[in-house]
Amino acid sequence: DADVTQTPRNRITKTGKRIMLECSQTKGHDRMYWYRQDPGLGLRLIYYSFDVKDINKGEISDGYSVSRQAQAKFSLSLESAIPNQTALYFCAVRDRTQETQYFGPGTRLLVL
Amino acid sequence: AQSVTQLDSHVSVSEGTPVLLRCNYSSSYSPSLFWYVQHPNKGLQLLLKYTSAATLVKGINGFEAEFKKSETSFHLTKPSAHMSDAAEYFCVVRAWFGNQFYFGTGTSLTVIP
Repeated sequence: DADVTQTPRNRITKTGKRIMLECSQTKGHDRMYWYRQDPGLGLRLIYYSFDVKDINKGEISDGYSVSRQAQAKFSLSLESAIPNQTALYFCAVRDRTQETQYFGPGTRLLVL
Repeated sequence: AQSVTQLDSHVSVSEGTPVLLRCNYSSSYSPSLFWYVQHPNKGLQLLLKYTSAATLVKGINGFEAEFKKSETSFHLTKPSAHMSDAAEYFCVVRAWFGNQFYFGTGTSLTVIP
């Protein structure tokens, strides 16, 4: 258990609004990931980070940005939300020495 | 390149009967393979993982999976389904040196009383 928390757990916003989803962890894992889950599509990687100065795009980074403010915090921003970004968003963490990813509880986002 | 194909989007079994969830992978290099479970309105929990050790991997809650390189498969099995096994299951692949994990589209398991 990596003690990964995500805030908010649920969010409703309107098209064009800027929103931020936050992820924090308490165990000092160096690698952090943001995924989105859509029905029938599984999880797709948005961004990942190996440390505060290392940010990498994933499969579907368009329309998103991230910030690794500290080892323990990794934020995902939607600069101008669109309905297509309605999804369940997961943060995950991993140690460089370990294979396993540990997931947060998810944030359910609805863009109207 | 890495990818995963989960061959069934939905599987239904009766309680007490065996479970088989199928997963085929594609990987240019020796893969690490995982199965995660997601119960309704919950996050993802690791069931088991293969990382180049024993090809038959045992996980939590009585699940196991066998890595078959010749068939590029990593199917998940359980001898006897329980009602609490009803959930979404994801097969995941990562190249042994890779930075990214690739998820299958998921298999929804229904357990019939």
